[in-house]
Amino acid sequence: DAKTTQPTSMDCAEGRAANLPCNHSTISGNEYVYWYRQIHSQGPQYIIHGLKNNETNEMASLIITEDRKSSTLILPHATLRDTAVYYCIVRVGYGDMRFGAGTRLTVKP
Amino acid sequence: GAVVSQHPSWVICKSGTSVKIECRSLDFQATTMFWYRQFPKQSLMLMATSNEGSKATYEQGVEKDKFLINHASLTLSTLTVTSAHPEDSSFYICSARDGGKSNYGYTFGSGTRLTVV
Repeated sequence: DAKTTQPTSMDCAEGRAANLPCNHSTISGNEYVYWYRQIHSQGPQYIIHGLKNNETNEMASLIITEDRKSSTLILPHATLRDTAVYYCIVRVGYGDMRFGAGTRLTVKP
Repeated sequence: GAVVSQHPSWVICKSGTSVKIECRSLDFQATTMFWYRQFPKQSLMLMATSNEGSKATYEQGVEKDKFLINHASLTLSTLTVTSAHPEDSSFYICSARDGGKSNYGYTFGSGTRLTVV
């Protein structure tokens, strides 16, 4: 599976959009981009995933660049409850899920 | 949606004893389950992959005789930490893949915090 690179930490003001970047320059054609988050002392929670088109659900939007070498997770109106570690994972559809270091997002009042 | 129940949520055991952690898929059949370990301030590390009815596949460096995994049914996988020692204290998390769904991701349990004293 392709390796991903994410910033170690980010801050965001409550109510503003949080934009979390992820680089995956070695992604292959059949690999999906998945985003999970982990709130302290809980299991990871699925957020969204995509192959090459932008995706949106009730939690977030996923923007994937045309060359698929990077993506951005957007939380449109961050709340204090969105404070968590966010993981960007690239893998084939039924492959195992391997976690990198992720981005620690802190939403501040 | 898909729910994975993990039990217990926390456990304290004495050094040298064994501890069993259960992972159940409540509303779907999980053909494959995964076990992770997470140390404080670190990311999740995949320990092993278990497929229903067959032997688990362990990641390099994970002792299969110490971390016994059983996936006897499509809704239950267990991880037994045998002869636990303080260095085994960690947060253990399972996840399950719904065999009937497309590849949109896996569901994780809420984790088990193991403390060995």
